[in-house]
Formats: sequence, structure tokens, C-alpha cells
Amino acid sequence: DTAVSQTPKYLVTQMGNDKSIKCEQNLGHDTMYWYKQDSKKFLKIMFSYNNKELIINETVPNRFSPKSPDKAHLNLHINSLELGDSAVYFCASSQGRRRNTGELFFGEGSRLTVL
Amino acid sequence: EDQVTQSPEALRLQEGESSSLNCSYTVSGLRGLFWYRQDPGKGPEFLFTLYSAGEEKEKERLKATLTKKESFLHITAPKPEDSATYLCAVQDYYGGSQGNLIFGKGTKLSVKP
Repeated sequence: DTAVSQTPKYLVTQMGNDKSIKCEQNLGHDTMYWYKQDSKKFLKIMFSYNNKELIINETVPNRFSPKSPDKAHLNLHINSLELGDSAVYFCASSQGRRRNTGELFFGEGSRLTVL
Repeated sequence: EDQVTQSPEALRLQEGESSSLNCSYTVSGLRGLFWYRQDPGKGPEFLFTLYSAGEEKEKERLKATLTKKESFLHITAPKPEDSATYLCAVQDYYGGSQGNLIFGKGTKLSVKP
């Protein structure tokens, strides 16, 4: 039973399109995250979110937006895709954010390729 | 600005050949330092949390240690199944990076039989 699941695992699309990646966690955690891992394998925080607070990394373009229908889901919407958006996007969850133990549970990643 | 630097970028070992991975960090105040393992095509998997200088944690062939400026991940008598990328991350006590984990680029470890 997968703890953090993301769909789709692979996504190939054209520049200018809008796409979404879905994430669900069944761990009962109250905080979820989106991380981007680029071609150099650098893992960077994009968003962290719990039911009280959305924290956006200031370097993330506003074409990216997280949407959380409920505590167990945090979806990532991307508008007007650009070539530089090609990367692997990881969803993660934890119990708490500022006071958590640093143990994040990651999904398997969604590889986005923009042509 | 919070920063994490890992070295070497890649490390090749023979099975049974012990070695260490380094993680140097710069934060306003360290709330925690974390080690993760990432296998190809998978998400990172949590290994350890270290909170203060002098602290050590062990798990099977891995031992993580922490000083005020760096952390080491010691691998004793590694096996091929230890091959993975090892990621180091820090969390800033004073809320730098909005309290989120800041990751290094990782060390890719390959262990040959």
C-alpha cells in the first residue's frame, strides 16, 4: 500500500500546454510538499502546504500553482509549459513542517518532458 | 543564505572497501541535519536525523556523524546493494528557507562486487 503516490509517472507534452500532476498520501500527515529535481539532480523545494499555510519558494514562477482539495491531496498545476520546466517533480509529506523530525516521505516522482 | 555542499560527487568502491561521504553546511542555526538515500527512478528515502554536534546514528553498515560545520556518512564494508545517491539536507532553526529542508546535490555511490 503506497504511502505517497503520484500520477502520472511520465508526462510528455508540448511547450505552451497546461498540465497537472496529482499527489495523494495515506499516512495521515498534515503537511505536503512539491520538490523539483533538475537534470543535475538538485532537489529544490517549490511549495510546502498544510491546512493553515501555503509557503511558496520565491523562485517558483507563478505559472506553477498547488491545489489541495483535502488534507491527503496536493496537486500541482502548471500553465504555459516551457522547455526549462522539464524535470522530475516529487511530492512528499510529513507530520508538521517547522517542527517535524525532517523525515519526509517522498513519492516516486513524475518525470515531465516539455518538447 | 542556507547552503549544503556534498563531496565527492561520485564515489566508486569495491565491495568491502569502507569510505566516507562528506556534507558541509551553512545555516543561521541548525535545527537538524538529515541523510536520505535515493535509488534510480525512486524518491528519496529517509535514513537519519542529527540534531547536535557530536551526535552519531547508525543503521546497518551506515553511520552518520555531525560536527558544527559538517556531517559524515561512513560506510563500513559496503555491499553492491548500498549503491545509490546519498543526499544530505539541513533545516534552519531560525526559519531560513521558510523552515523547509535544503538539500545538497548528493553523492552517487557505486559498489562493485
